[in-house]
Order: sequence, then C-alpha cells, then structure tokens
Amino acid sequence: GAVVSQHPSRVICKSGTSVKIECRSLDFQATTMFWYRQFPKQSLMLMATSNEGSKATYEQGVEKDKFLINHASLTLSTLTVTSAHPEDSSFYICSAPAGGEGTDTQYFGPGTRLTVL
Amino acid sequence: GQQVMQIPQYQHVQEGEDFTTYCNSSTTLSNIQWYKQRPGGHPVFLIQLVKSGEVKKQKRLTFQFGEAKKNSSLHITATQTTDVGTYFCAGPTRTDNAGNMLTFGGGTRLMVKP
Repeated sequence: GAVVSQHPSRVICKSGTSVKIECRSLDFQATTMFWYRQFPKQSLMLMATSNEGSKATYEQGVEKDKFLINHASLTLSTLTVTSAHPEDSSFYICSAPAGGEGTDTQYFGPGTRLTVL
Repeated sequence: GQQVMQIPQYQHVQEGEDFTTYCNSSTTLSNIQWYKQRPGGHPVFLIQLVKSGEVKKQKRLTFQFGEAKKNSSLHITATQTTDVGTYFCAGPTRTDNAGNMLTFGGGTRLMVKP
C-alpha cells in the first residue's frame, strides 16, 4: 500500500515555542492531505484539509493562526503549532487519499506525539 | 452534520471468543471503510465496502454493509492477542464524496485476555 511518513515521531517542547510537523507521501502524489488530532483513547478529530498550491480548509473550532498548514508540493504538507501550550499536547496524524474502489481510502502517517511542558 | 456512531466503546474478550463491533451512520453512505489502530500506532486501512448488503471476509474478519447503507459491522471469529487494538469505521463526510473527507466513528477498543 501507499506509504506516508511523518517527522518527527515525538517532540517535547517548552510552552510558547513553535513546532513544525512534516507529512510526506513517499510513493505517490497527494494534492490533498488531512491533519487529525487524537486525544488518548479517543477518535480522530479532523483539524484541516491541506490543499497543494492553495490555502488549507480548517474545521470549525480550529484556529488557523495557531495551526499553520503549508502544502508546498505534491508530496509534502507541514503543520506548525505556533506558540504551543500544554493544552496543545496531543497525537497529531496526517493522512492522504491514495485511490481505491469508488472512493479514495486514506493512508495514515505514523503520527507525531507532541508534549508541551 | 453527519454522525457516525460505534458500539461498544470497549470490549474485553477471552482469547478464542468472537467479537463484533457495530457502526451506524446518520446518513446513507456511498461506502464505508474500516481501520485498525494498534496501541501506540496509527490507523491502518483494512477494507472498504461499497455495495448494499455487501459482505467481505479477510481470514477471521467478516465485514458487512447494511442494505440501507447506513450501518456496518465487523466480526472477528476466535480472537487472538494480535487482534488487540481500536477498530474505527469511517464514511465519506459529503454525499458527493467531494474532497475525500472521512467522518470516523468513535472506535471500539478491543482487549483480548490470553
């Protein structure tokens, strides 16, 4: 199946700093990528849709100035958590649709566990 | 908006017992997908069902799509410790599937006692 990588896998930072997370499609091109947030033992919450060459589409309640998304190429999307606070600590996962029967299934990156002290 | 519900939230079974998780959508779905997330891991695509009443099998896993295309189930026969994880169903967020967005159910966390 298609491979999506994410970097870093784990990051610990101090409150007030910014953290950049990269999501790459390794063997296919992705004009669209999705960013999710997952709290412990909970489901995936879609944060935003990253669109190559245009602005990201944010879900209701997600601050676009806090979670900056850039989709600079067909294989790379980045999520920057600006001025991180402890409440931003979470598991961030990206995914990309990679084709399937009738509709695109999603292939997920391994996730980034962010801890803000 | 569209809602996708899953029950149960948690299930403890003895190894060798069967397990079933149920998924219900508030809207008719063009397709339904199932994903598995191992503890500490990321969701991995298992299968997609498209046709009304469709049943698909993957070894000990049986997936079913309801006739009305609003519900689905995943049944595991004779669970093994390797089946441990959270199982999510997901359906297209938009009826025209524009944007390829998925709405995920809350997941069913399966724990297997050896």
